[in-house]
Amino acid sequence: ETGVTQTPRHLVMGMTNKKSLKCEQHLGHNAMYWYKQSAKKPLELMFVYSLEERVENNSVPSRFSPECPNSSHLFLHLHTLQPEDSALYLCASSQDLGGRGDNEQFFGPGTRLTVL
Amino acid sequence: DQQVKQNSPSLSVQEGRISILNCDYTNSMFDYFLWYKKYPAEGPTFLISISSIKDKNEDGRFTVFLNKSAKHLSLHIVPSQPGDSAVYFCAATSAYGGSQGNLIFGKGTKLSVKP
Repeated sequence: ETGVTQTPRHLVMGMTNKKSLKCEQHLGHNAMYWYKQSAKKPLELMFVYSLEERVENNSVPSRFSPECPNSSHLFLHLHTLQPEDSALYLCASSQDLGGRGDNEQFFGPGTRLTVL
Repeated sequence: DQQVKQNSPSLSVQEGRISILNCDYTNSMFDYFLWYKKYPAEGPTFLISISSIKDKNEDGRFTVFLNKSAKHLSLHIVPSQPGDSAVYFCAATSAYGGSQGNLIFGKGTKLSVKP
């Protein structure tokens, strides 16, 4: 596997379920990100990790819980979601924090989440 | 309130012609701008960028123009090819402030290049 991978690619869950999204990067990067892309909205940054430490939480509801056990893996734990949380969830990584110059962010293919 | 705006949700262009995708921003602290391209079922991939100290950056068929006074940038693709059909996202970032240089994205413009 190369680049940034995400599993599962598609997920349907009920509002009372608990599920987790997984992201793995094979690039040796130090920073990882979760983004949310809802229909007709810009990509919204949810969480940022640098060297396994969370450095940003953009006012995301507590029903989304990130975990970064090491610099290669990032999880998004989901609990009691709402239908409006249905979206494409994208993971990205970069060598260091940010995304400019040689420090571009590489994205995974995303997980298409549907909450019933 | 959106800081990065792509007001055209879609654009259709004939193969061989020029595609021009537009992006406006409101935050004068932005000093670096990027374009990402996204195919269906794939993540966005970096295409081209420009620093605020420049007004033009060219890479092959792709050129980005920056007009700081108008807070406007555009991506020109010439000649357009059917393989360029994708969603194009404009993004901006600032080296200042406490946002750790996070990328702020627009909603995207879906480009269709017809043979």
